[in-house]
Amino acid sequence: AQSVAQPEDQVNVAEGNPLTVKCTYSVSGNPYLFWYVQYPNRGLQFLLKYITGDNLVKGSYGFEAEFNKSQTSFHLKKPSALVSDSALYFCAVTPGGSYIPTFGRGTSLIVHP
Amino acid sequence: KAGVTQTPRYLIKTRGQQVTLSCSPISGHRSVSWYQQTPGQGLQFLFEYFSETQRNKGNFPGRFSGRQFSNSRSEMNVSTLELGDSALYLCASSPGQGHSTDTQYFGPGTRLTVL
Repeated sequence: AQSVAQPEDQVNVAEGNPLTVKCTYSVSGNPYLFWYVQYPNRGLQFLLKYITGDNLVKGSYGFEAEFNKSQTSFHLKKPSALVSDSALYFCAVTPGGSYIPTFGRGTSLIVHP
Repeated sequence: KAGVTQTPRYLIKTRGQQVTLSCSPISGHRSVSWYQQTPGQGLQFLFEYFSETQRNKGNFPGRFSGRQFSNSRSEMNVSTLELGDSALYLCASSPGQGHSTDTQYFGPGTRLTVL
């Protein structure tokens, strides 16, 4: 069975600083990895996904994520955080042969002015 | 295109009652999934429908059921509500026929409170 771990419940960063939200996964076969963001009282919004190819994936709002197969990680990054990036971030994995993603518990990102 | 819509947005029920939630997917999307989101359990998969057929089901009791109509709109029903059913129920649609690479497009959710 597949699983996703987001080891940090909360990440605090100052505006303008780089941010990283961590995600590790466990899956048999090829992993397809996703990041979603959830703002208060809203559904999840798609940020980016890794399917194959370049390990660095660029997504919406200046976010990017790096796929590391040996470390089974897919960390979300942004070079310069904005206060408006404050939200709940979810990592998800879908193993090959399935189309139902497994989500991590979520990481609350707080960007301080 | 309009996004995924869910009605109602907020619902208050009492224990023992039943509830029906509705989801309209993005036009052209045929796959609709339902999730339960709670602070303690996170996002948990309920079930997925494609072309009016339930293709996948999560680990929830039979009190949770759903269906999909020919226009891809979906409903989920929870019978004999329990306090623990209080949650945000999210619907998501995806454009593909069901592939690991499909992106899910989420609605705003229905906040269910059971008293």
